[in-house]
Amino acid sequence: AQSVTQLGSHVSVSEGALVLLRCNYSSSVPPYLFWYVQYPNQGLQLLLKYTTGATLVKGINGFEAEFKKSETSFHLTKPSAHMSDAAEYFCAVIGAAGNKLTFGGGTRVLVKP
Amino acid sequence: EAGVTQFPSHSVIEKGQTVTLRCDPISGHDNLYWYRRVMGKEIKFLLHFVKESKQDESGMPNNRFLAERTGGTYSTLKVQPAELEDSGVYFCASSQVSSRRSHEQYFGPGTRLTVT
Repeated sequence: AQSVTQLGSHVSVSEGALVLLRCNYSSSVPPYLFWYVQYPNQGLQLLLKYTTGATLVKGINGFEAEFKKSETSFHLTKPSAHMSDAAEYFCAVIGAAGNKLTFGGGTRVLVKP
Repeated sequence: EAGVTQFPSHSVIEKGQTVTLRCDPISGHDNLYWYRRVMGKEIKFLLHFVKESKQDESGMPNNRFLAERTGGTYSTLKVQPAELEDSGVYFCASSQVSSRRSHEQYFGPGTRLTVT
């Protein structure tokens, strides 16, 4: 079985500041990890994913995440927050079965001018 | 290319009534998934179709929920009779393949269900 923990249900950052969203996972097999974003009144959109290979993964809109096996973490970062980054972010993992996503609880990001 | 669409976007029903949610996946996607997010909780898997067959329905909460995918195209999720705890946002997703290696699911905007 797998699980995902996102530290902090709400994060507030100033425009231009670093965005750091934390995600820790547990998985009985090498994990495939995802970050999704949900903007208001929209569906979930894939930001980035890690399957194999390079552990630093770059995604859309300037986001990146690093897979750290020793820490069972997949934290999401963006060097400089923009007002348009205000949204809810979800970390997810696919386990051995390869079909269903297991999500963390989500982190809502507020960007202050 | 059209994305995953869901209908209705919102539904408000009374306890004991029936509601049917519809999902149209991306054309050509054999895999269709239903997820649900209850207020304040994480998004949870409900079930997975491969074409018209149920591959995994381990997340379905109880027998008041019935999912179908006739002809392997659109899917419906019926809740009958609805209970208060069924309130939440129901997401549908689709993918071309279900292997771990190339797995990417595309999500619809969700249906917000409120049971009063």
